[in-house]
Amino acid sequence: AQSVTQLDSHVSVSEGTPVLLRCNYSSSYSPSLFWYVQHPNKGLQLLLKYTSAATLVKGINGFEAEFKKSETSFHLTKPSAHMSDAAEYFCVVSEPRGGYQKVTFGTGTKLQVIP
Amino acid sequence: EAQVTQNPRYLITVTGKKLTVTCSQNMNHEYMSWYRQDPGLGLRQIYYSMNVEVTDKGDVPEGYKVSRKEKRNFPLILESPSPNQTSLYFCASSFIAAETQYFGPGTRLLVL
Repeated sequence: AQSVTQLDSHVSVSEGTPVLLRCNYSSSYSPSLFWYVQHPNKGLQLLLKYTSAATLVKGINGFEAEFKKSETSFHLTKPSAHMSDAAEYFCVVSEPRGGYQKVTFGTGTKLQVIP
Repeated sequence: EAQVTQNPRYLITVTGKKLTVTCSQNMNHEYMSWYRQDPGLGLRQIYYSMNVEVTDKGDVPEGYKVSRKEKRNFPLILESPSPNQTSLYFCASSFIAAETQYFGPGTRLLVL
């Protein structure tokens, strides 16, 4: 069965330090993987997606994620946090299921950036 | 401007009073979906639609209905709302289900 686990519900970093948001998934097929960001009182916006091309995926605002099949992980990183990165981040897996695509969201990680 | 719109953005209602939340997209997307977001649970899919007249249940469909009579519109209907349907609702669309979804701004619903 398909599932997504975001290992931390809250992450706090200082401005200018690296960000690591962890995501593990399980899938019976070759999944597509996404990270979305939700700023306070806003809708969701795509950060990046993996669709079986390069395993290191670069997204917007300096974020990137690495697909590691052996570890079933898709962790999100950024070298240097900015105050504007404070938001909630969702890892999403999508896989084919009997003629349609099953989409599952993780429970989210709230990122706090301390000045 | 390419966008997904939802109306209303905020709604307070009482138990049992039927309501409809509208969703419209202007990107000619085939796939549309409704989610509810609750603290600590992330987004859970309520219903989705692969194309016009094709809809199916997501993970939490109980108490909701949808229809897809035109490609651009995908309304969410609560025939008899209950307090446990108090939540933040998002509509999303994409060319196909495996692709990037574009989200509406959300509808915050309170059922008293």
